[in-house]
Amino acid sequence: AQSVTQLDSQVPVFEEAPVELRCNYSSSVSVYLFWYVQYPNQGLQLLLKYLSGSTLVESINGFEAEFNKSQTSFHLRKPSVHISDTAEYFCAVGSASKIIFGSGTRLSIRP
Amino acid sequence: EAGVAQSPRYKIIEKRQSVAFWCNPISGHATLYWYQQILGQGPKLLIQFQNNGVVDDSQLPKDRFSAERLKGVDSTLKIQPAKLEDSAVYLCASSLDMGFAPLHFGNGTRLTVT
Repeated sequence: AQSVTQLDSQVPVFEEAPVELRCNYSSSVSVYLFWYVQYPNQGLQLLLKYLSGSTLVESINGFEAEFNKSQTSFHLRKPSVHISDTAEYFCAVGSASKIIFGSGTRLSIRP
Repeated sequence: EAGVAQSPRYKIIEKRQSVAFWCNPISGHATLYWYQQILGQGPKLLIQFQNNGVVDDSQLPKDRFSAERLKGVDSTLKIQPAKLEDSAVYLCASSLDMGFAPLHFGNGTRLTVT
């Protein structure tokens, strides 16, 4: 069985400050890891993914996530956030047959 | 490419009524998913199709929910009869294949049961 835990339901940060959104997973099989983002009044969209290879993956808008197998984590980070990063972020874990989502972290940016 | 299409966008019904949602996935995507997203929670998988066969429906409340995917393309999700706790956004997603392929989501149908 697989599960995903997002430890923080809300993360408020100031603009240009760094942020880390935490994600831990459990699985008895090899997994693929994803972060999806839901901007206000928009649908869910893929932010970045880890399938294999380099454990550090990056998105086009400056986010990065590192797959840590020993700690079963896939935390999302950005060194300097912008107002436009305000959204809800979902961590997801996939195996050969299914994808399961975490409960989400709402990132709010203060000017 | 055209995205995942869902309709309707919003639906308000009374409890014990029935409702149906429609989804048209991205062309060529073999896998289709229906998720339920209750306010403040992450998407919960209701049913997953691979072509027109069901891969996983373990969390589908089968006494009231049903879904089909005709000819391995469009899909409908039905609730009959609806309960208050069914109020949620129903998301359809599709992917090229299972597990490793990213999901492409539609905009969802927001259902309110009164």
